[in-house]
Amino acid sequence: AQSVTQLGSHVSVSEGALVLLRCNYSSSVPPYLFWYVQYPNQGLQLLLKYTTGATLVKGINGFEAEFKKSETSFHLTKPSAHMSDAAEYFCAVTNSGNTGKLIFGQGTTLQVKP
Amino acid sequence: DVKVTQSSRYLVKRTGEKVFLECVQDMDHENMFWYRQDPGLGLRLIYFSYDVKMKEKGDIPEGYSVSREKKERFSLILESASTNQTSMYLCASSLQGRTQYFGPGTRLTVL
Repeated sequence: AQSVTQLGSHVSVSEGALVLLRCNYSSSVPPYLFWYVQYPNQGLQLLLKYTTGATLVKGINGFEAEFKKSETSFHLTKPSAHMSDAAEYFCAVTNSGNTGKLIFGQGTTLQVKP
Repeated sequence: DVKVTQSSRYLVKRTGEKVFLECVQDMDHENMFWYRQDPGLGLRLIYFSYDVKMKEKGDIPEGYSVSREKKERFSLILESASTNQTSMYLCASSLQGRTQYFGPGTRLTVL
């Protein structure tokens, strides 16, 4: 069975500081990995995804994530936080099957302090 | 752009009422999903559908049913709403095995 663990339900950074949101997964088959962002009172928006190929994936809004198979991790980073990055972030995993069912982590709320 | 719409952003119902939540997507996606989102639990899959009139249970189907009579529309039904079904409900759609696109969500309160 697949699962996702996001370390830290709340992360607080200062504006301009590095953002690091941690995600570890378990999967018995090659995973597809996703990061979604949810702004208050909105649905989820795709930030980036890893399927195959290059392990460093760049997404929208300056975010990137690196797939590390040996560490079963897919951590999300951004070099410099903006106030507008304050939101909830979800990591998710799926296999490559046709249904594409996603397994989500518990979510990490990012607070950005001025 | 893919658009997934949900019938209501906010809904208040009473215990025992039958509740319909509707989701419509405009990109001819085969797969549609219903999740509920609760603080600290992330998103949990209630039901999904991979074709018209086809459905499969997700992780927490108890107390819910679904209907997919047309490809673009996927309805979630609470046969007899209970207070523990107060939650945010999110609909998503995707092509086979690809990225899921989410609607804005419906925040349901059951009194």
